[in-house]
Amino acid sequence: DQQVKQNSPSLSVQEGRISILNCDYTNSMFDYFLWYKKYPAEGPTFLISISSIKDKNEDGRFTVFLNKSAKHLSLHIVPSQPGDSAVYFCAASKGNTPLVFGKGTRLSVIA
Amino acid sequence: NAGVTQTPKFQVLKTGQSMTLQCAQDMNHEYMSWYRQDPGMGLRLIHYSVGAGITDQGEVPNGYNVSRSTTEDFPLRLLSAAPSQTSVYFCASSLTPRTDLSVYTFGSGTRLTVV
Repeated sequence: DQQVKQNSPSLSVQEGRISILNCDYTNSMFDYFLWYKKYPAEGPTFLISISSIKDKNEDGRFTVFLNKSAKHLSLHIVPSQPGDSAVYFCAASKGNTPLVFGKGTRLSVIA
Repeated sequence: NAGVTQTPKFQVLKTGQSMTLQCAQDMNHEYMSWYRQDPGMGLRLIHYSVGAGITDQGEVPNGYNVSRSTTEDFPLRLLSAAPSQTSVYFCASSLTPRTDLSVYTFGSGTRLTVV
């Protein structure tokens, strides 16, 4: 049973517009959520995270929103740039348990 | 450069062969893990280790063995390769198992094909 779900395999956005990537989770015990970004032929790299005690975390152009009641989080990228084109993985964990990843969403930012 | 080093980058195996994927980190990280990435499946945890001498199974451990004799190294052994093990393998490490205290650093991956 998939505990972290990214239901959109791909997303295409115009440069300068907002990109919104969504993630749902089923395990209510998860208390920490992260987004990783992956370019081809490279390993994933950490992008941004949020604790379950918050509903928003912002880092430059990237903002993550958490809706605990809906078990949903989203990553907003504003403005989107061509260099943001990558696969984005949502991940979740509780305490010191290993990260559980979603299937990923491939973002294409069109110039 | 500090980081996670995986070798080899590419490997082709015949069904039934065995091999070891190497993973080394020079950041004195306590926690290390192996994931595999398959199309449409995301990253799935194979095995992980919270310190030297301690290992545990993840979501998809069958067909793989690990050991952690040193803090730096965490090799992944394929005992008898099968086509279903064709995948990209990523090793990750972090200072502690607590994901809210330290982020995972991933290696660049090993692309394995079993024919």
